[in-house]
Parts: sequence; C-alpha cells; structure tokens
Amino acid sequence: RKEVEQDPGPFNVPEGATVAFNCTYSNSASQSFFWYRQDCRKEPKLLMSVYSSGNEDGRFTAQLNRASQYISLLIRDSKLSDSATYLCVVNSRNSGYALNFGKGTSLLVTP
Amino acid sequence: ETGVTQSPTHLIKTRGQQVTLRCSSQSGHNTVSWYQQALGQGPQFIFQYYREEENGRGNFPPRFSGLQFPNYSSELNVNALELDDSALYLCASSSGSGEGYTFGSGTRLTVV
Repeated sequence: RKEVEQDPGPFNVPEGATVAFNCTYSNSASQSFFWYRQDCRKEPKLLMSVYSSGNEDGRFTAQLNRASQYISLLIRDSKLSDSATYLCVVNSRNSGYALNFGKGTSLLVTP
Repeated sequence: ETGVTQSPTHLIKTRGQQVTLRCSSQSGHNTVSWYQQALGQGPQFIFQYYREEENGRGNFPPRFSGLQFPNYSSELNVNALELDDSALYLCASSSGSGEGYTFGSGTRLTVV
C-alpha cells in the first residue's frame, strides 16, 4: 500500500464548478502536509501548505484531519488555468523531511 | 535570488551506460533532494543531501548514487542504466526545516 493515496481522477469539470480532491496518508508520524500543482511536463510547484486548523488561499481551501489521516483540497469557481495535476504531499522529521508524493489527480476545466 | 537549475534538460542514453545529472540549489538552501518521476506517477524520493552528507534514502538500488559539493550543488549518478530508469529526474533544494522546497525543471532521461 502506498504511503500517500489520492483520488484516481481524472476530474473533468466546467468552468465555475467547485471540485474537491481527497488524500489519505498511512504514516502517523507525518508532520507537514502540502498540495503541489504540476503542469504537463513541468516541475511540481507548491500550491499551499496544509495546517490542522484548515487554511484558505483565495479560491483554494485545504483541510487536514490528523485523526483520520486525511487531507483535502477544495477549488471553488474553477478557471481554465486550474487545469493541472494536483499532488498530495507529506513529510516527516524521521525521514529527513523527504517529500512523499501521491500519484496525483488530474484536473481538466472545460469552457 | 536564483532558483534551482538542472542540467541537462534532456538526455538519451543506451541501456548499460552511466549518466550524471547536475543540480544547482537555490541561494541560501543547504539541502538537496532528488526525485524520480515516471510517466503517470508522482515523484519518488531517491535520496537527500545535507551539508555534503547523505541523510536519507528512498527505495532505490545502490547504482543510484550522489554527491553534494561545498557550494551545495549536487550530482545524481546512475550506473548500468535500465529501460525503467527512463523518467523525469527532479532536484529540489530547501533550507532543511521541512518547508519551502523549490524544484528545478528537471532532466528528462530516456534509456533506449
């Protein structure tokens, strides 16, 4: 079983839709949590860190449930430019803070 | 402030050959980690260097090796290349505190 599991996707949604991605992690010692965005054939880029209290950045909201070892990302009012692969990432001090990536979920926003 | 730069951007090698990939870390970052991303997969952690010492390794065989230099730049070496080594190789630098990773644009390696 992979340490970080994500929704299989792909997600095809119309502009303006709200879309939610889910992720679970198996290492209870995980300490830091992130969502990265990766465009086709490009490097991953940090979208946002995820905190226990939940956090929001414009149209993006991230939630963390440590008890359930579950992370989510909500995108409101989807734009065409949101089309990308979204990677759920965790790390822990006992692994030297190496990033542990999920497989990614592909999002395509259509006109 | 310069970001993370990797070279070369693309590379084609023959099975059995050896390859060296290079990475210059972002200014102020002393930790470099390497990842392999196969098509359709998330990046997989290969190893990490902190102040010239390897301080973490993923599930990769010994033919994957690395170095970090005093200026914190790094190399990834892969010996006896196999077809399955074809992937995007990503370098990321950080300050070592678990936050703020910056990725380079990667080296796309094709083994034929």
